[in-house]
Amino acid sequence: DTAVSQTPKYLVTQMGNDKSIKCEQNLGHDTMYWYKQDSKKFLKIMFSYNNKELIINETVPNRFSPKSPDKAHLNLHINSLELGDSAVYFCASSQDRVYYGYTFGSGTRLTVV
Amino acid sequence: SQQGEEDPQALSIQEGENATMNCSYKTSINNLQWYRQNSGRGLVHLILIRSNEREKHSGRLRVTLDTSKKSSSLLITASRAADTASYFCATKNSGNTPLVFGKGTRLSVIA
Repeated sequence: DTAVSQTPKYLVTQMGNDKSIKCEQNLGHDTMYWYKQDSKKFLKIMFSYNNKELIINETVPNRFSPKSPDKAHLNLHINSLELGDSAVYFCASSQDRVYYGYTFGSGTRLTVV
Repeated sequence: SQQGEEDPQALSIQEGENATMNCSYKTSINNLQWYRQNSGRGLVHLILIRSNEREKHSGRLRVTLDTSKKSSSLLITASRAADTASYFCATKNSGNTPLVFGKGTRLSVIA
């Protein structure tokens, strides 16, 4: 039973398109995150939601919009995709924002052509 | 902004040897965490050490933390081929700040 699941696993799309990545966790965690991992494996926080409320919004282009319909789901919508958006996007969740580790999904590899 | 810096960037050892990876960070922390990432997979949480702790063990893993030097080390004893992965340290400050990851150490364990 997958704890944090992301769909799709792979996404290949053309520049200018709009796409969404879905994330669901069945751990009962209150906090969810989106991270972006670039080609050099560097992980950068994008967003964090706690109980459906946005608590962290790093310097991310406003083409990226997270949506949390309930605390078990955090989706990422990307408008007007650009070549530089190509990366692996990871969803994660945590029981507590400070004292617990994160549980990561398996990632969505986005390729913009 | 990046907080942790792992050293070395890459490490290659023989099966059965110990592997040591180091992490340095810049600001005060609440805790430091280590994660493993196998190729093409998500990150897996290995261990968390709080700022008031100096050493922690979990199976073949031993983590130390020196807050005066702002550094941590991860020791994997009796390494196995299955330990081949990238290892990341990540630091946590106050409640709302996100977990900030270093660039990782790529470990190769040769059978």
